[in-house]
Amino acid sequence: QVQLQESGPALVKPSETLSLTCTVSGGSMSNYYLGWFRQPPGKGLEWIGYIEKRGPTIYNPSLKNRAIISADTSKSQFSLKMSSVTAADTAVYYCAGGWGWLVDYWGQGTLVTVSS
Amino acid sequence: VLTQSPGTLSLSPGERATLSCRASQSVARDYLAWFQKKPGQAPRLLISGASSRATDIPDRFSGGGSGTDFTLSINRLEPEDFAVYYCQQYATSPLTFGGGTRVEIK
Repeated sequence: QVQLQESGPALVKPSETLSLTCTVSGGSMSNYYLGWFRQPPGKGLEWIGYIEKRGPTIYNPSLKNRAIISADTSKSQFSLKMSSVTAADTAVYYCAGGWGWLVDYWGQGTLVTVSS
Repeated sequence: VLTQSPGTLSLSPGERATLSCRASQSVARDYLAWFQKKPGQAPRLLISGASSRATDIPDRFSGGGSGTDFTLSINRLEPEDFAVYYCQQYATSPLTFGGGTRVEIK
C-alpha cells in the first residue's frame, strides 16, 4: 500500500516561495503520476499539478506559472515550489498519486499559512 | 466547469441521498469521480469512471450518469456518511472539481 507524507514550513511570508516535500513509501515513484492539490479554508478542492511517470509536468493554468513540481527518485520524494505567494495561497496542501490522473493515494495534508 | 447541486442536503440517518454533478461540456470517457471529504481528513475516493465503486467502499454508495450529467446516490445514510462530497473530472487538463455538496444531519 502506497503511503504519502507531506512536510514543510507551516508559515510562509507574502511574496516568498512556498516549498513542500512529499515522501513516498510502499511503492516505486516511477510507477505513478504524482501531484499536488490544495483546499483553502472553507473552500473547495483545487488541483495544482502533476509530474508524470517519465518526468513531464503539467500544471493548472490558474496558478499563472507560479508552481513547479520536481521529483528525486533516489530519496523517494517529490516537491512543490510555489513562488510569489499571497494570503490567497493559504490552504491545506495534499500530495497525491495514482496510476493515471485519478488519485488513488492521498497524503494527510499540511496547512500552510501565508502571513507576515 | 462542474456544478454540483444542491449545495446542502439535510437528511436523517436511514434516508437516501441523491447528489448531482453537471458538467459544462461532456466528460470524455466518463472520467468522473466522486470523493468524500471530512474535516481534517484527506479526500476519500468513492466512485471512478462515473459508476465504479472504489476498493472497500460500501455498496450503499452508487454512481451513475454519463456525458454531462452524473449522480451519486447514498442509500440508507449511516452516521459516518455526513460529510462534503465532491465530483471531479480527470479526463482533461486542468483537472477540476465541483463546488461540493454538504450532506448534513437533519
